[in-house]
Amino acid sequence: QKEVEQNSGPLSVPEGAIASLNCTYSDRGSQSFFWYRQYSGKSPELIMFIYSNGDKEDGRFTAQLNKASQYVSLLIRDSQPSDSATYLCAVRRDSGGSNYKLTFGKGTLLTVNP
Amino acid sequence: DAGITQSPRYKITETGRQVTLMCHQTWSHSYMFWYRQDLGHGLRLIYYSAAADITDKGEVPDGYVVSRSKTENFPLTLESATRSQTSVYFCASSERGGGRPSYGYTFGSGTRLTVV
Repeated sequence: QKEVEQNSGPLSVPEGAIASLNCTYSDRGSQSFFWYRQYSGKSPELIMFIYSNGDKEDGRFTAQLNKASQYVSLLIRDSQPSDSATYLCAVRRDSGGSNYKLTFGKGTLLTVNP
Repeated sequence: DAGITQSPRYKITETGRQVTLMCHQTWSHSYMFWYRQDLGHGLRLIYYSAAADITDKGEVPDGYVVSRSKTENFPLTLESATRSQTSVYFCASSERGGGRPSYGYTFGSGTRLTVV
């Protein structure tokens, strides 16, 4: 069973701080990595994706990927109360008949305190 | 409206009844997916479809049936609902590029199903 592991949290940070969310995965064939944000009672919303080792920045969000360590993270700079949500890590194997199926972690609940 | 829509938003049904959850997308995405989300389990794939008339099982397919006669529709049917199927169900779609797709999925708003 291919797994995606996340710390369930809750992760609590003060407003303006950096929130660091971590994810590990077991399938070494995973090639694409995604971070989704899910507000309570809402559907998941894609916020970042990354394919290559290293960092990818988009506004206040930075995704980091280390395939050798099978580790992907999401940094949120200058955290705002509106960032309070559950963050879902997802991985995808883009070959071998995967049909672009995403495997999700269980999510980390982030709370940003004013 | 463009996008991916699910209906109904909320549904209460009795054990043993058949119920169908609808999913419609206007993007002509090739791939469509059904997930269920439960506390402690996260999102789990039920069925997926790579194109019209092509469907395959995901992680938790037992008790569910899908069909995809048209690209835009991907209904999920619970043949004989059980209490363990009480969950929030999400439909999602994804485009298919010539090579690796650039995007993950886009999700519908979800259907909250309660089986009593």
